[in-house]
Amino acid sequence: AQSVTQLDSQVPVFEEAPVELRCNYSSSVSVYLFWYVQYPNQGLQLLLKYLSGSTLVKGINGFEAEFNKSQTSFHLRKPSVHISDTAEYFCAVMLRGGSEKLVFGKGTKLTVNP
Amino acid sequence: GAGVSQSPSNKVTEKGKDVELRCDPISGHTALYWYRQSLGQGLEFLIYFQGNSAPDKSGLPSDRFSAERTGGSVSTLTIQRTQQEDSAVYLCASSSRFPTEAFFGQGTRLTVV
Repeated sequence: AQSVTQLDSQVPVFEEAPVELRCNYSSSVSVYLFWYVQYPNQGLQLLLKYLSGSTLVKGINGFEAEFNKSQTSFHLRKPSVHISDTAEYFCAVMLRGGSEKLVFGKGTKLTVNP
Repeated sequence: GAGVSQSPSNKVTEKGKDVELRCDPISGHTALYWYRQSLGQGLEFLIYFQGNSAPDKSGLPSDRFSAERTGGSVSTLTIQRTQQEDSAVYLCASSSRFPTEAFFGQGTRLTVV
């Protein structure tokens, strides 16, 4: 079975600073990887996904993530954050060729301060 | 409809009562997921339906929880003999054939008193 670990439950940063939200997964087979975002009082929406090909994927709102197979990681990054990026971010994994169960991590709450 | 619809949006129930939560997925989406979101616990997988295949029930926390999906569309999550620890936001999501994006509803906030 697959699992996802988001090491940081809360990440406070100042506006215009860079940020990295960490995600590690555990799986015995190849996976698809996703980042979802939940803005305050809103539903979850997809930020970006890695299916195959280039290990660097770009998503909405200037976010990007890099798939590292050897380190089983899929960290999310943004070079300069805005106040509006304050939200909770969830990493998720789905097994290739198996059950299409989408398993999420516990989330990282990003707070951007002025 | 345009998105995943869940009802009710809020539900307060007494301990020991049964509750039913409803999810209307996006038309044409074959996959449907139920998750439970509790503070500090992230999204806990409950159950997954895909077309006519047997559902993946591996996340249901106890036999008080059950779900069905009628006609490959609407789904109902039933919690019997509710307990205070069942209080959470229950989220439903749907997607077309994987591995495409899962679209989430706004959730049902369940409070057991």
